[in-house]
Amino acid sequence: ETGVTQTPRHLVMGMTNKKSLKCEQHLGHNAMYWYKQSAKKPLELMFVYNFKEQTENNSVPSRFSPECPNSSHLFLHLHTLQPEDSALYLCASSQMSGGTQYFGPGTRLLVL
Amino acid sequence: TQLLEQSPQFLSIQEGENLTVYCNSSSVFSSLQWYRQEPGEGPVLLVTVVTGGEVKKLKRLTFQFGDARKDSSLHITAAQPGDTGLYLCAGLGGNTGKLIFGQGTTLQVKP
Repeated sequence: ETGVTQTPRHLVMGMTNKKSLKCEQHLGHNAMYWYKQSAKKPLELMFVYNFKEQTENNSVPSRFSPECPNSSHLFLHLHTLQPEDSALYLCASSQMSGGTQYFGPGTRLLVL
Repeated sequence: TQLLEQSPQFLSIQEGENLTVYCNSSSVFSSLQWYRQEPGEGPVLLVTVVTGGEVKKLKRLTFQFGDARKDSSLHITAAQPGDTGLYLCAGLGGNTGKLIFGQGTTLQVKP
């Protein structure tokens, strides 16, 4: 099983839909992250979880709702998104918060 | 606010040429990481540099961390089409523990 997996890899949703992104890490890490990657912009950190506790919310709109049931799984629940939310959403994990991060392949999201 | 400026933002070269990508900041980082990202995939870690002045080599790639730990460079010798991709530098803020990413350098190596 590869280090960090994300599902789905591609998602198209309307502005009134509710969907969830899933991330799973098989590295035994204790910290997990959600990033947003838009064209021609640096990766934007969204959320950080350390030992299942949220330690960072980088002023993310409430239409994005993270969930971390255990150290191996991280979800991003999406509802009433806007077209400008279309981007590549990347999950990463590290041994501890602030450690070297390993990324998943991302979910390419298109909001219509 | 800590920022990392990467240059150039886009580079298109012929196979066999050498190139250098720069990553600069006015802030000090406790470590700096370089990633390579291919279209439709997540960034893959290439190297982490920690000590000021440190030089690390990965086959044809040479990474250097500035003496003051504010900047870094990536030099590729005899580039190959397989080197094509987006190269990202990311600095770990000593106080925040957060990774700060540069905007990336898109490299295209033509056969």
